[in-house]
Amino acid sequence: QVQLQESGPGLVKPSQTLSLTCTVSGVSIISDGYYWTLIRQHPGKGLEWIGFIYYNGVTYYNPSLKSRLIISVDTSRNQFSLELNSVTAADTAVYYCARTSKGEGGSAWFFDNWGQGTLVTVSS
Amino acid sequence: QSALTQPPSVSGSPGQSVTLSCTGASSDVVSYNRVSWYQQSPGTAPKVIIYEVSHRPSGVPDRFSGSQSGDTASLTISGLQAEDEAEYYCSSYTSSSVHVFGPGTKVTVL
Repeated sequence: QVQLQESGPGLVKPSQTLSLTCTVSGVSIISDGYYWTLIRQHPGKGLEWIGFIYYNGVTYYNPSLKSRLIISVDTSRNQFSLELNSVTAADTAVYYCARTSKGEGGSAWFFDNWGQGTLVTVSS
Repeated sequence: QSALTQPPSVSGSPGQSVTLSCTGASSDVVSYNRVSWYQQSPGTAPKVIIYEVSHRPSGVPDRFSGSQSGDTASLTISGLQAEDEAEYYCSSYTSSSVHVFGPGTKVTVL
């Protein structure tokens, strides 16, 4: 079955770059019809879509994060990655990797597989 | 201010039905069957329970159902069970492919 696993430093200093890698197993990242997605959840708060990437490198970003954000894909490793620069304490959150796909109805996108999430704390 | 609005909390006794609402700030967000629903228990990742307004993934109990009327999507849990106590988020996206989540509704089983 499809599995996504987040990896990266759990602690990042303010003003530095938060880097996170998502490793996908059970499906090829170059399979047609999926967007590889990052979502975060601030402690005790709701979910925030960060953005996603198609295997060919096409990206869609949350406008509120776009100026600080790069999502990239490494098809040879079946991985995709997040870089968020100039971080502050407001970027402290659990970061989830997820897959966006269309269901049997084929008319709309949704997040059908999620990683377990990883807490990233921004602190000096 | 979220583009999707959800009530903060809903409660019900075991066996009862509860309905959660999700209202879009604009028709662009909740049009074209785009709404999906996610269940999140404490300390776990969210899990999709409804997509395309009313479709259930395999393995999701049929006591979960979804519908939509105008700019408001709804999730109904029929025959509420203790294990249904969780946070529920709706999600949708705009025609520019910007995805959004509602603030979440906490379901409490009394």
